[in-house]
Amino acid sequence: KAGVTQTPRYLIKTRGQQVTLSCSPISGHRSVSWYQQTPGQGLQFLFEYFSETQRNKGNFPGRFSGRQFSNSRSEMNVSTLELGDSALYLCASSLAPTGGYNEQFFGPGTRLTVL
Amino acid sequence: ILNVEQSPQSLHVQEGDSTNFTCSFPSSNFYALHWYRWETAKSPEALFVMTLNGDEKKKGRISATLNTKEGYSYLYIKGSQPEDSATYLCALRDDKIIFGKGTRLHILP
Repeated sequence: KAGVTQTPRYLIKTRGQQVTLSCSPISGHRSVSWYQQTPGQGLQFLFEYFSETQRNKGNFPGRFSGRQFSNSRSEMNVSTLELGDSALYLCASSLAPTGGYNEQFFGPGTRLTVL
Repeated sequence: ILNVEQSPQSLHVQEGDSTNFTCSFPSSNFYALHWYRWETAKSPEALFVMTLNGDEKKKGRISATLNTKEGYSYLYIKGSQPEDSATYLCALRDDKIIFGKGTRLHILP
């Protein structure tokens, strides 16, 4: 069974631009979560989608948004990029919402650099 | 859940020795505690999902315990091997998921 895939793997943008990242979950998984990893803050939760609905959202500004499609693929969008948005963005999928018991499987991440 | 603390931040252990590290949290109001192993250049890999006070899980040489009353979870590695070198993350789940900053484990040959 194929794992979680993320595209692109690397991305360089300039301040003020916007970016869209994509995540394809493991086949049969309906929940997708997004995380931001920075050296100073560690791994921080962005949002979680299940059946095309956002279930939970972390403490990030409205510039960060996402959506999930009927095939469970998810996209994350960041508008008006700032230097501080440079990070590794990870997505993770699980069979059902991560309401505690469901194991998450992580993708390889997208490394975003904002210049 | 306000904060998840992991200690130590970094740890060097001789190959063959056993080790353990801690995940601390101020509140027991969560659904589950997750442990992950994150090797360099790879994706985080789930180790355990722990759901009850007194829960214990074991996978090969790695085991974990959870004490929600005292607010901590321990991860134990018995007979460390070079492949155990990684960052170990714990995360608590209530409505959101909060990660600790991890313990970076280095196994010395």
